[in-house]
This record gives sequence, structure tokens and C-alpha cells, in this order.
Amino acid sequence: QVQVVQSGAEVKKAGASVKVSCKASGYRFTGYVVHWVRQAPGQGLEWMGWINGGNDNTKYSQKFQGRLTFTKDTSASTAYMELSSLRSEDTAVYYCARLFKLQDGRLDYWGQGTLVTVSS
Amino acid sequence: DIQMTQSPSSLSASVGDRVTITCQASQDISNYLNWYQQKPGKAPKVLIYDASNLQTGVPSRFSGSGSGRDFTFTISSLQPEDIATYYCQHYDDLLHLTFGGGTKVEIK
Repeated sequence: QVQVVQSGAEVKKAGASVKVSCKASGYRFTGYVVHWVRQAPGQGLEWMGWINGGNDNTKYSQKFQGRLTFTKDTSASTAYMELSSLRSEDTAVYYCARLFKLQDGRLDYWGQGTLVTVSS
Repeated sequence: DIQMTQSPSSLSASVGDRVTITCQASQDISNYLNWYQQKPGKAPKVLIYDASNLQTGVPSRFSGSGSGRDFTFTISSLQPEDIATYYCQHYDDLLHLTFGGGTKVEIK
């Protein structure tokens, strides 16, 4: 069965970077796109971007341009999200999710979320 | 950028009530619209895709309609387990996603 498992909670100082992992199993990692979405405490969902598991394509929300990097390790079926120059407003739960298929914007399998806390 | 305006931001209804949530796009988005349910402390779960299609395994009391700019999500008979926040989500040809602000559904 499809599973998406993320790395554990992180506490970071303002100005530092954080790297969150997203390990997929139960499906062919290279055949799907992985999206990243975050949710600040008590707030709604905010889209961050995506990485294609099968090629080098990525897309980033303009809001995070220059601070956000997606990478992957296809041999480990794992995607990574790294956010730099952290500030208190980056405190949020970060989710990765599988895109059902291209031309279809459904996110059908989600990780459990990773809480990133940024302290000053 | 396309904006998605969801309303109401919260609602309170009784078990068995019909619940309706609306989502309006800032421009025509055809049917590129999905609906999610998020329970506290959990990841979102897709319920409706392409405006009106029920995701596999989702109860039939959930439905969606609309196209263009105006969309509606309906729970035909509210159940206690439906307490959650619901989000609409638009996607475009470049897989850029935009979420609505969310609607928190509570039991009266």
C-alpha cells in the first residue's frame, strides 16, 4: 500500500536552515510529482511547490523564491524540502503529498506532516 | 495569480443538516477545482476532484458542483465524523496550486 512518511519535528533558530525528508513506498517514486504544502498554527494551507520524481523539474511558489530548494534521492524514493533564512513566520507544519497524475491536481497521498518551530 | 475565496469561514449545523460551502475563483478556472477535508492534527484528504467527481472510498453524502468561477461543496446529511475544516484547491496547467481559506464545520 502507498505510504508517505516524513522526518520528525525540528526546532531551529532564526536565520538557520531546515531540511525535511519525505519517504515514499508502495509506488514507483519516479512516476509521480511530489508537492509541498505548509500550514502555520491555526491557519490555512499554503502551497510551496513541487518536484518531479522522474526528472529534474521543479517549481517554486514565488513567495519562497531564493529560500526554498527541493531535491530527491530516487534510489531511496525520498524527496527533500530545504528552507533557508528561517524566520518566525516559517513556524508551521510542512506536508509533502503525491500528485495523483499529471493534468490532475489531486493530492491523493499525504505525509503525516513535520512541525518546524523557528525561535528567535 | 488566481485567488480562491471560500465562504463561510466557519459554520455550525446540526447532525442531519445539509451543509453548503462555496468557493469563488478570481477568474475562470473551468473545472480545475478539488475539495479536501482536514481533521485536527491530520493531513488533508481529497474528497472531490475536478469539481464534481467523488474520490474513491468517499461517502456519497459528499458532493461538488460548479464550473468557471463558482463552485459548491455539499454535505447532504451532516454526520458527527464530518467535523473538520474543508478547503477548495485550484490547480493550473503548470501544477501551481492555490487553496481557499478554509471552512471550519462544527456541530450545533
